[in-house]
Amino acid sequence: NAGVTQTPKFRILKIGQSMTLQCTQDMNHNYMYWYRQDPGMGLKLIYYSVGAGITDKGEVPNGYNVSRSTTEDFPLRLELAAPSQTSVYFCASSYERGATDTQYFGPGTRLTVL
Amino acid sequence: EDQVTQSPEALRLQEGESSSLNCSYTVSGLRGLFWYRQDPGKGPEFLFTLYSAGEEKEKERLKATLTKKESFLHITAPKPEDSATYLCAVASTDSWGKLQFGAGTQVVVTP
Repeated sequence: NAGVTQTPKFRILKIGQSMTLQCTQDMNHNYMYWYRQDPGMGLKLIYYSVGAGITDKGEVPNGYNVSRSTTEDFPLRLELAAPSQTSVYFCASSYERGATDTQYFGPGTRLTVL
Repeated sequence: EDQVTQSPEALRLQEGESSSLNCSYTVSGLRGLFWYRQDPGKGPEFLFTLYSAGEEKEKERLKATLTKKESFLHITAPKPEDSATYLCAVASTDSWGKLQFGAGTQVVVTP
């Protein structure tokens, strides 16, 4: 099993550009999450999904969109990139209820918006 | 509102010098407390889950304990390969499916 994979690893965007961060898991997990991590701060939840076709907002959803058409994939879309979105983005997944089940993380995407 | 505070922010240890990291939390009801290890440029790696006060878990040189207000991660006789940032997170009964993370403790172990 590859676990949780993310692409790209690094990306530089100009203000106003858009991009999609890809996340795929091969563990047949129902629950998937997107977090951002800023220096000196804890991970902040952006969006999460409890299964294909079902998504919900986390703590910091503004400026982002998600979709979940399959169990395996959970892409994160950035529209009109802003410098405040410069961060490291992590995708995670868990098998059952996220509140009590272990979340497994991908390697991250480092995004810079200039 | 759920809160998680980790201390210290950074810790520098000599190889073999045991120490403890603290994670203080405020939640309406605790579903679980998680410890993760994060190496530079990588995603968090799961270490432990604790569910109730008094519970303890061990893995190699690491031991996690839980009380009603805080958790400790004890590092016994650390080695340089234990250098990492250690993250604490809580899941509460009011925030289904969501983890509240602390800012982490960066540990450096020198030979």
